[in-house]
Amino acid sequence: AQKVTQAQTEISVVEKEDVTLDCVYETRDTTYYLFWYKQPPSGELVFLIRRNSFDEQNEISGRYSWNFQKSTSSFNFTITASQVVDSAVYFCALSEAASTGGYQKVTFGIGTKLQVIP
Amino acid sequence: EAGVTQFPSHSVIEKGQTVTLRCDPISGHDNLYWYRRVMGKEIKFLLHFVKESKQDESGMPNNRFLAERTGGTYSTLKVQPAELEDSGVYFCASSPRQGFGYTFGSGTRLTVV
Repeated sequence: AQKVTQAQTEISVVEKEDVTLDCVYETRDTTYYLFWYKQPPSGELVFLIRRNSFDEQNEISGRYSWNFQKSTSSFNFTITASQVVDSAVYFCALSEAASTGGYQKVTFGIGTKLQVIP
Repeated sequence: EAGVTQFPSHSVIEKGQTVTLRCDPISGHDNLYWYRRVMGKEIKFLLHFVKESKQDESGMPNNRFLAERTGGTYSTLKVQPAELEDSGVYFCASSPRQGFGYTFGSGTRLTVV
């Protein structure tokens, strides 16, 4: 069975601080995908990143960076110089690879609510 | 390209009533998924359609929930009769037959009072 653990339920930081959101996952699959989604107050789920299990390269996109470590089954997300607009619930997620390519159902963590205080 | 569209965005109903949620996937996406987030909990998988067929409905909580996807286009999720614990945000997502492009809709916030 797959499981995603986000141990931090709520985090508050002051604007311009860096913040790291932790994600630990469990899966028996050798091929899988990891995701981060953002849910702003408006409610929609916004895709941030997808990483497959064979690609352990860290990624940076603007103020966002992701650290994937297979050895510790972690996929942590760092926001540098946080801004008020970053306030949202962030979900880490996991999906097994489908035999036809792509992926199947997604298993989500409980989410980390980030509040950035001006 | 239009995204995944869900109707309504909000619904408030009384316990015992019936509610139908609708999801219009991205055109051409064979895969359609329903998920639900109950307040404070994780987003949980409900079911997966491939075209009009139910591929996996292991996440459906009970027989008060009925999902359909007639013609393999839009899908509906009916809750009948609704209970208080059904309150939450219901998300729909779609993806192509193969490959990636897993896209979520904005969700329907259901409140049962």
